[in-house]
Amino acid sequence: KAGVTQTPRYLIKTRGQQVTLSCSPISGHRSVSWYQQTPGQGLQFLFEYFSETQRNKGNFPGRFSGRQFSNSRSEMNVSTLELGDSALYLCASTLTSGGFYEQYFGPGTRLTVT
Amino acid sequence: AQSVAQPEDQVNVAEGNPLTVKCTYSVSGNPYLFWYVQYPNRGLQFLLKYITGDNLVKGSYGFEAEFNKSQTSFHLKKPSALVSDSALYFCAVRVDGGATNKLIFGTGTLLAVQP
Repeated sequence: KAGVTQTPRYLIKTRGQQVTLSCSPISGHRSVSWYQQTPGQGLQFLFEYFSETQRNKGNFPGRFSGRQFSNSRSEMNVSTLELGDSALYLCASTLTSGGFYEQYFGPGTRLTVT
Repeated sequence: AQSVAQPEDQVNVAEGNPLTVKCTYSVSGNPYLFWYVQYPNRGLQFLLKYITGDNLVKGSYGFEAEFNKSQTSFHLKKPSALVSDSALYFCAVRVDGGATNKLIFGTGTLLAVQP
């Protein structure tokens, strides 16, 4: 089956602009989580969506937002970009069913803010 | 607070030798534990997980990990290292309690396998 897909793979934006990243989970997975990876802070949890509802949020400013659609695809948006937002943004797709659990990551979107 | 520690920033091993990448965790309740590998400019690739059952978990590419509840550890091992195993390895724990799939990650360990 197809894996987690993220678009675009690479993005260059200017400080002050806004950006939208997209994540399509594995078919049947209803949970999508987003992470930011930077050399200094490592992997940090942004938020999680399940059945179109945000059910957990990390410690990031309100400039970071997200949503999930009825087909489980998710988008995250960063407004008023800052240089420090340059990072690899990873999306994770999760399926839990009874005692079964699997979580897979997409290839990431590399965002560079200049 | 929930946390994961990977005490070694880098592990060096000769090809053909066994390797161990260490991970300890601190969570309330029963942990779900994971190992992921990341190659340069790539996403995280799933290696293995422990949820319940046998403490020795076998995963992809010949890797295995042993869950040790008393030592709160989940070390990654491989009997014979390959140069192609050189990558960044992350241990992660799922936060227990409540309906969330949030993972807490360790800081990562760079594995360097010399030919």
